[in-house]
Amino acid sequence: AQSVTQLGSHVSVSEGALVLLRCNYSSSVPPYLFWYVQYPNQGLQLLLKYTSAATLVKGINGFEAEFKKSETSFHLTKPSAHMSDAAEYFCAVSPGNQFYFGTGTSLTVIP
Amino acid sequence: DTGVSQDPRHKITKRGQNVTFRCDPISEHNRLYWYRQTLGQGPEFLTYFQNEAQLEKSRLLSDRFSAERPKGSFSTLEIQRTEQGDSAMYLCASSSLADNTGELFFGEGSRLTVL
Repeated sequence: AQSVTQLGSHVSVSEGALVLLRCNYSSSVPPYLFWYVQYPNQGLQLLLKYTSAATLVKGINGFEAEFKKSETSFHLTKPSAHMSDAAEYFCAVSPGNQFYFGTGTSLTVIP
Repeated sequence: DTGVSQDPRHKITKRGQNVTFRCDPISEHNRLYWYRQTLGQGPEFLTYFQNEAQLEKSRLLSDRFSAERPKGSFSTLEIQRTEQGDSAMYLCASSSLADNTGELFFGEGSRLTVL
């Protein structure tokens, strides 16, 4: 069975501070892992994905995530938050033909 | 082709009425998915098609919900006898069989409000 747990439904950071959004997964098969971002009243946009090529994955807008098999984690980070990063972030796991999303983390950036 | 498009973007209806949403996927994508998203939640899987075949339906999809993809291109999601609990954002996504990661490309969503 596949599932995703996102710790912290709301995260607030100051502009310029480190962003850390946590995601732990459960998968019975080697997973593909994704982070999507959703801005208000919009669909989901892919930030980055892990496909087993490299454990550190770089995405758009300065975000990156590290796959840690021993910890079953795929946390999302960004060294310096911008106001434009305020959005909802979803972690997802896929065995290839189906996606399982976490409940999301709402990121607030404080000026 | 610029991406997945959904229509309408917003729909307000009265309880008991029927509504239909349309999704046009990225043209070369074989798979098409419908998800439902309520406030503060992640997308919940409803159903998916591979070409014109509906391969999987969630238990969330009651018999008031029906989805079609008659020619393997666009898809429709119909909700009959709407209830207030149907109020949500309905998201469509598509993916290519050629991409073994199954990466989903989402539309902007159709927001349903049932009064």
